[in-house]
Amino acid sequence: QVQLQESGPGLVKPSQTLSLTCTVSGGSVSSTNYYWSWIRQPAGKGLEWIGRIYTSGNTKYSPSLKSRVTISVDTSKNQFSLKLTSVTAADTAVYYCARGASGYDDYYYYYMDVWGKGTTVTVSS
Amino acid sequence: SSELTQAPAVSVALGQTVRITCQGDSLRRSYASWYQQRPGQAPVLVIYDKNNRPSGIPDRFSGSSSGNTASLTITGAQAEDEADYYCSSRDSSVTHLVFGGGTKLTVL
Repeated sequence: QVQLQESGPGLVKPSQTLSLTCTVSGGSVSSTNYYWSWIRQPAGKGLEWIGRIYTSGNTKYSPSLKSRVTISVDTSKNQFSLKLTSVTAADTAVYYCARGASGYDDYYYYYMDVWGKGTTVTVSS
Repeated sequence: SSELTQAPAVSVALGQTVRITCQGDSLRRSYASWYQQRPGQAPVLVIYDKNNRPSGIPDRFSGSSSGNTASLTITGAQAEDEADYYCSSRDSSVTHLVFGGGTKLTVL
């Protein structure tokens, strides 16, 4: 059974870089069947997709965050990571990592079937 | 603003049927997936692709689509179905992923 676990600092100062890691257990980030995503959710608000990475290192980012986001994968540690630069209070949220599948079958599809429990990151001085 | 539009809130009487809808032009080319999120918990996938349920999701959950609208139907809603429900799909460029704003379901 695949499990994902987010880790990283819970408090980040404004203008600094937010760094989170997602550790995958019971499965492999090297799998060619899945993508690995980051999603966030400010308190009391909806879900926001941040971006995804494939085992090859191919990435896609949300257009609204693209200039500040980097997602990377470390197959040796079975982890993938998120870096978000120049953070402000608006980046305060619960951050989730998730496993996703994507493709085309009459229609395009992309869904995330395994999620981590989430980690709260607060941006404050 | 989201490319996918959901009603903010819907209510249903216990045991009755409720439909939660999601509208967006991207749904003409992309399947919607649906996520259930209970308070303080991570989202859980309940419907994906045409109308598939992951293992462990009750068969009272079903999905459908017509034109630019995707729907999640709960037939015989239970108290434990009270949660926020989010749709998502590829965006209009089919490059990125977008979420709807979410629908809060209350079971009366």
